[in-house]
Amino acid sequence: NAGVTQTPKFQVLKTGQSMTLQCAQDMNHEYMSWYRQDPGMGLRLIHYSVGAGITDQGEVPNGYNVSRSTTEDFPLRLLSAAPSQTSVYFCASSYTRTGGPYNEQFFGPGTRLTVL
Amino acid sequence: GEDVEQSLFLSVREGDSSVINCTYTDSSSTYLYWYKQEPGAGLQLLTYIFSNMDMKQDQRLTVLLNKKDKHLSLRIADTQTGDSAIYFCAESGGGSYIPTFGRGTSLIVHP
Repeated sequence: NAGVTQTPKFQVLKTGQSMTLQCAQDMNHEYMSWYRQDPGMGLRLIHYSVGAGITDQGEVPNGYNVSRSTTEDFPLRLLSAAPSQTSVYFCASSYTRTGGPYNEQFFGPGTRLTVL
Repeated sequence: GEDVEQSLFLSVREGDSSVINCTYTDSSSTYLYWYKQEPGAGLQLLTYIFSNMDMKQDQRLTVLLNKKDKHLSLRIADTQTGDSAIYFCAESGGGSYIPTFGRGTSLIVHP
């Protein structure tokens, strides 16, 4: 199993550009989510999905879109990049939507995004 | 809403014990977790505890839970330089399955 993979690892954008951060998992997990990590702010939930075709907003969804057409993939789209979106982005997945240690969240290695 | 609080930094000498503290507000939390993030990597689950437990020990790690005070701690015995990382406290349960993470505590281990 590759686990949770994210591409690209690094990206530099200019203000106003759009791009898609890719996330894939090969563990047949139902639940997938996107977080951004900023210094001193910890992890903030952007969007999440409880299964193919179902997405919902997290704490900081503005400026981002997601879709979940398959169980494996959960791309995050930046519609018009802004410097405030400079951050490290993590994708995570877990087996089901329920909590518990048997539902450990697996994190990808992250995408480091800089918006100039 | 639910909140999880941690101090941002902890510095210890190699060989000493480290204690990382966390407080949370959701009284219906069912599961509490500690995740470890090494430099340049994603988070990995380190250990967890059910809310009906007071303590859990796993090799050098000891987790203590005071449910009355909503206080969770992680003790690392004989701290090594390889333990240098950011440690995140998280909770889930009650009405939400989505875990809530603290801001993370940067543990710095110096010789």
